[in-house]
Amino acid sequence: DAGVTQSPTHLIKTRGQQVTLRCSPKSGHDTVSWYQQALGQGPQFIFQYYEEEERQRGNFPDRFSGHQFPNYSSELNVNALLLGDSALYLCASSLPGGRRQPQHFGDGTRLSIL
Amino acid sequence: GDSVTQMEGPVTLSEEAFLTINCTYTATGYPSLFWYVQYPGEGLQLLLKATKADDKGSNKGFEATYRKETTSFHLEKGSVQVSDSAVYFCALTSGGSNYKLTFGKGTLLTVNP
Repeated sequence: DAGVTQSPTHLIKTRGQQVTLRCSPKSGHDTVSWYQQALGQGPQFIFQYYEEEERQRGNFPDRFSGHQFPNYSSELNVNALLLGDSALYLCASSLPGGRRQPQHFGDGTRLSIL
Repeated sequence: GDSVTQMEGPVTLSEEAFLTINCTYTATGYPSLFWYVQYPGEGLQLLLKATKADDKGSNKGFEATYRKETTSFHLEKGSVQVSDSAVYFCALTSGGSNYKLTFGKGTLLTVNP
C-alpha cells in the first residue's frame, strides 16, 4: 500500500522563476493538503483540496496556487519565487471527515531558491 | 486563532530514560490533538492522536492524554531508545478550521547510548 508520494525530491530555482510540485495521495484518500516547513520550524498550512476545489486556505499570497485532478493527485504552483520561499514543501492526504481524520504526510520536496 | 506551544528543545537523554515533552494549546471549540514525529531528511509520521477530552493516544510505547481542563497533551515514554531521536511536533485541528493542522515549533530529542 503506497503512502503519499511527492516529486521531485529536491529542486533548485532562481528568484522570479516559477515551480510546480506534485503529490499523489495515499490509496483511498481523496483530500490533499499542502504545507510549507521552513528550517527549524513547524509546518505552516498553505491550502487543502477536496473534490477538485480549494476548500480552505492559509495565510499565503496568491503566488501560491494549486490544483487537484480527478484521480485525487495534486499540484502546488509557486510563481515569482522569492528567497524566502526556500523550504520543505509537504503534501498530506486524508480521508474525508474533518478534524478527526489524521493527515498522512509524504517525505516532501526541498525547494532552494538562489 | 488556534495555537500550539511546545517545550523548547533540544532535549538530550540517555537510553532508557523517561521522556516528557510538554504541549499546551489554544483552540476554538473541541480540537483533535496529534503528535507527529520527523526523522532526519523525512516527512512527518503520525505518532498518536486523541479526538476528545480524557482520550489517551498511544503507539510504540509513547502516550499522551487529552486534558481539556489544562488544555494540554503532553507526550511521554517510559524508556527511550537511540532510535527515538527525532523532532516531535504537537498539532491540532479545531472547529474553527476543520481542515488545517496547526503545529507547534517542534522539539528535537537526542537519545545517547
